[in-house]
Amino acid sequence: GNSVTQMEGPVTLSEEAFLTINCTYTATGYPSLFWYVQYPGEGLQLLLKATKADDKGSNKGFEATYRKETTSFHLEKGSVQVSDSAVYFCALSDPASGGYQKVTFGTGTKLQVIP
Amino acid sequence: DGGITQSPKYLFRKEGQNVTLSCEQNLNHDAMYWYRQDPGQGLRLIYYSQIVNDFQKGDIAEGYSVSREKKESFPLTVTSAQKNPTAFYLCASSISGQLSTDTQYFGPGTRLTVL
Repeated sequence: GNSVTQMEGPVTLSEEAFLTINCTYTATGYPSLFWYVQYPGEGLQLLLKATKADDKGSNKGFEATYRKETTSFHLEKGSVQVSDSAVYFCALSDPASGGYQKVTFGTGTKLQVIP
Repeated sequence: DGGITQSPKYLFRKEGQNVTLSCEQNLNHDAMYWYRQDPGQGLRLIYYSQIVNDFQKGDIAEGYSVSREKKESFPLTVTSAQKNPTAFYLCASSISGQLSTDTQYFGPGTRLTVL
């Protein structure tokens, strides 16, 4: 079956540091890949997505590149801010699953940015 | 403003009681979903509905029930048969069930605590 593995947190960084959150996946077909962000006490928001190999998703200074050869979709940001403190979820949806295209989520990585 | 509303934000229930969580969307989306979120875990799908008057079980449907009588509403009932109902519940919607391309929009969530 499909699965998503992401690095365990929490990740604590100083403001303006470089961020990488690792995400790898297992899928039967060619999935679409997503990063969602959850701020404290709120629902999830889509941060970025990529639908095919070598696509780069980007939003709000965050980037992730769909690497089929390494089955990875690592999230990066060059300079984090305190306002980026949140939980980040990597996810996939596999059109090869047929019918309803379920989204499989990783366990989430908590990011804390300190001033 | 278009979006998804969930009520209440916090809910307390005594053991043995059924409780219904509300989810309403004004995005004119066909598909709606209920997820459960537990600490340190990803989101797990409880039920989904791709069209009015139709819904399907997700991965953890036992002890839950839903209805979809109107396009904009997808209430979730947590029954007394659910053995461990304390969790954060998230409702979501998308234009269709093609989640490899559609974006899921999430509500702010309801935190249910069983006393």
